[in-house]
Amino acid sequence: DGGITQSPKYLFRKEGQNVTLSCEQNLNHDAMYWYRQDPGQGLRLIYYSQIVNDFQKGDIAEGYSVSREKKESFPLTVTSAQKNPTAFYLCASRGGRTNEKLFFGSGTQLSVL
Amino acid sequence: AQKVTQAQTEISVVEKEDVTLDCVYETRDTTYYLFWYKQPPSGELVFLIRRNSFDEQNEISGRYSWNFQKSTSSFNFTITASQVVDSAVYFCALSEAPRGGSYIPTFGRGTSLIVHP
Repeated sequence: DGGITQSPKYLFRKEGQNVTLSCEQNLNHDAMYWYRQDPGQGLRLIYYSQIVNDFQKGDIAEGYSVSREKKESFPLTVTSAQKNPTAFYLCASRGGRTNEKLFFGSGTQLSVL
Repeated sequence: AQKVTQAQTEISVVEKEDVTLDCVYETRDTTYYLFWYKQPPSGELVFLIRRNSFDEQNEISGRYSWNFQKSTSSFNFTITASQVVDSAVYFCALSEAPRGGSYIPTFGRGTSLIVHP
């Protein structure tokens, strides 16, 4: 079945550590997104990528970095510069050239030790 | 700039009650799309409906119905005869014309629906 796979489901970060969240899709979608979800805050856009080797900052990109070396993969690194990383992170993708729906992964819960 | 407001943080109902989730949006574009997504406890958002700004026809899908009114900038979602399985967080989202070639949806804060047996 086609879909988006996020791993790990749970992740713990130590002080000063960088951690990377994985997002893989086999939907052949060009566009991919990373959202952060905090309780009561809804979804806020971190980064998005329209095509391979190109990505743009979203509304809350500080303390995060991404890469898009392959169409299928859009990993998110939470750096030590992100002082409040505890949140639920959702990866999404979108196919087509029009305003189509997003397909979401099952998310990664990141917590600080 | 686009904005979505879901004023209801949490709604609690008893099974078989009807419930309406409100969504109010702001946009300067004349062409835009509105969406509803459901987030069950598993965490993955599931698409429910998409509506473009030129189609104000209401839609019904089983126990779900949507009321789109441009005059009040609202896109409300009603669940008829609610069931325990409807318990989830529901998000309304708005997507305008592409920004730098990309469609960037803006989400509301979500409404948590709890359906008691």
